[in-house]
Amino acid sequence: AQSVTQLGSHVSVSEGALVLLRCNYSSSVPPYLFWYVQYPNQGLQLLLKYTTGATLVKGINGFEAEFKKSETSFHLTKPSAHMSDAAEYFCAVSDLWGAQKLVFGQGTRLTINP
Amino acid sequence: DTEVTQTPKHLVMGMTNKKSLKCEQHMGHRAMYWYKQKAKKPPELMFVYSYEKLSINESVPSRFSPECPNSSLLNLHLHALQPEDSALYLCASSQVGQTNEQFFGPGTRLTVL
Repeated sequence: AQSVTQLGSHVSVSEGALVLLRCNYSSSVPPYLFWYVQYPNQGLQLLLKYTTGATLVKGINGFEAEFKKSETSFHLTKPSAHMSDAAEYFCAVSDLWGAQKLVFGQGTRLTINP
Repeated sequence: DTEVTQTPKHLVMGMTNKKSLKCEQHMGHRAMYWYKQKAKKPPELMFVYSYEKLSINESVPSRFSPECPNSSLLNLHLHALQPEDSALYLCASSQVGQTNEQFFGPGTRLTVL
């Protein structure tokens, strides 16, 4: 069965600094990987996804992630943090075509310091 | 239209009440989902409908009753809930038979007194 581990339940960075949120997955077959963002009292919004092809994936709001099969990782980065990036971030995996289940990590709360 | 809508936004109910949550999407998706999310936790899958038929029930108590009247609508009927059922209830939709990229609604914040 697949699983997702997000390292660090809380990450705090200064405005303008690099954002790095870590995600490692476990899957017996090539996975489909997603990053979602959740602002307070809102639903989840898809930031980016990896399905096949290019391993460096660009998403919305300046975020990107790189799929590294050898490291079973899909870390999320943004070169320069903005105050509006403060939110909860979830990494998720689906490893079967049409599996209908997303397995979520526990989430990382990102705080931006002025 | 790439939006999933949910009503109501907030709901307060007593333990003897009957209420319903509603979800609607017009993206042509044939899979729809109900999730429950507690504070500071990831969403927990409750139910999945595929082509308007219930395909997954994650051992949810019978006081939660899902319904999918057509391909665009998803309801969650609530009856005799407990205070521990208070949570954010999220609806999502996706294409069937693809990567399982799910589109989420804004959620209904449910409080059970």
